[in-house]
This record gives sequence, structure tokens and C-alpha cells, in this order.
Amino acid sequence: SQTIHQWPATLVQPVGSPLSLECTVEGTSNPNLYWYRQAAGRGLQLLFYSVGIGQISSEVPQNLSASRPQDRQFILSSKKLLLSDSGFYLCAWSFGGDEQFFGPGTRLTVL
Amino acid sequence: DQQVKQNSPSLSVQEGRISILNCDYTNSMFDYFLWYKKYPAEGPTFLISISSIKDKNEDGRFTVFLNKSAKHLSLHIVPSQPGDSAVYFCAASAGTSGSRLTFGEGTQLTVNP
Repeated sequence: SQTIHQWPATLVQPVGSPLSLECTVEGTSNPNLYWYRQAAGRGLQLLFYSVGIGQISSEVPQNLSASRPQDRQFILSSKKLLLSDSGFYLCAWSFGGDEQFFGPGTRLTVL
Repeated sequence: DQQVKQNSPSLSVQEGRISILNCDYTNSMFDYFLWYKKYPAEGPTFLISISSIKDKNEDGRFTVFLNKSAKHLSLHIVPSQPGDSAVYFCAASAGTSGSRLTFGEGTQLTVNP
């Protein structure tokens, strides 16, 4: 069976510091991978998606970047965090169909 | 441009009664719709889906209805249970977008014992 992992679960970072969130998927090959953000009181906003290694599509201009160095690894990064980057970050995967499967999420607080 | 909208941020119902969560969309290219359930500090979990070739899909206590002419779908939960208390997200995809989903803002459902 497939599983998706995200870490860390929670993170508190000062403004201007770098960020690296990691997502890995087990039990499948060549999945589509996604990064979402849920800001407080808001819906799920798609940030990035990837259909393969090194292939990243950005949905919205922002302070963040994504990379896919391996087939089942998806990384969300920032060089300098802003207060507005606070939120709940979710990684998801899909395989061909419309249904996406989400990881447990990372709660990021930027102070 | 919010292509998927859930106009009710919250809904409160009594245990055993019906919960009806609503979702509207504007993009006529959407042809597949999903509902996700999310507990605090957890990732969303898939609940039920419906293709645009159908107008109803049922799975146990959960039924999704699709009205294509009105660009409206709804999720019915009968009977509602306290464990159903969560945020429910409506999502839609278009065949041309592959697996990319567009989510609504979510509705917080509270089922009171």
C-alpha cells in the first residue's frame, strides 16, 4: 500500500530564515506530487505540482520554490521566510486519476 | 477568481439529522468532483466523488448530488454523527488538467450530540 510522509510536523521559524519541508511517498512509482497551503480560515491553495523528476509547475507567484530530486521526494523551500508564509502545508500524490492522497501536513509559524 | 465556492463557512446540526453541504462552481470544463474531510492538524482524506456523467453517487451514509445545469453539487450525510464533525472541502477537476484539483474554501461541520 502507498503511504506519504511529511516532516517536520510543526515548525516555528523567524522571519528571514530559510525553509525546507520534505515529502516522500512510498509504495508507488512516478506519482504526480503536489504542495498545497491552507492559510488560517482559508481553503486549500495549490502551490506547486510535479509530474516527474525535475518537472515543477508553479501555480502562484510567491516566496517559495519546489524541487523534485528523486521520483518519490518533493521538497518545498524558501530562502527567506515572510510572515505571510505561515500556514498549514500539505503534500499530496496522485497516480493517473483525479483522486489525491494527502500527507499529515506541516504547521509552519513564522514569527 | 474562485472557481469553486463553498458559501457556508460553518454548519451545525443535531446528531441523527441530515447534514447538507453545498458547493458551487463556475468552470464548465470541470467534469469530476470530490469531497474531502479534514480534521484539525491532519491532511484531508477522500470521502466521495462523482463524475459529470452521473447526477448522484452514494456510499453508505454519504451521498453526493450533482446539478450540472446549476453548476452545483451537494454532500448529504444521513444520519449525522458527532465523529462527522470536521471541515469538508469540495474539489473539482477538468479532464484537460489531469489530476489538478481546485478546492473550495471548506465548510466546518459540527454535529452536536
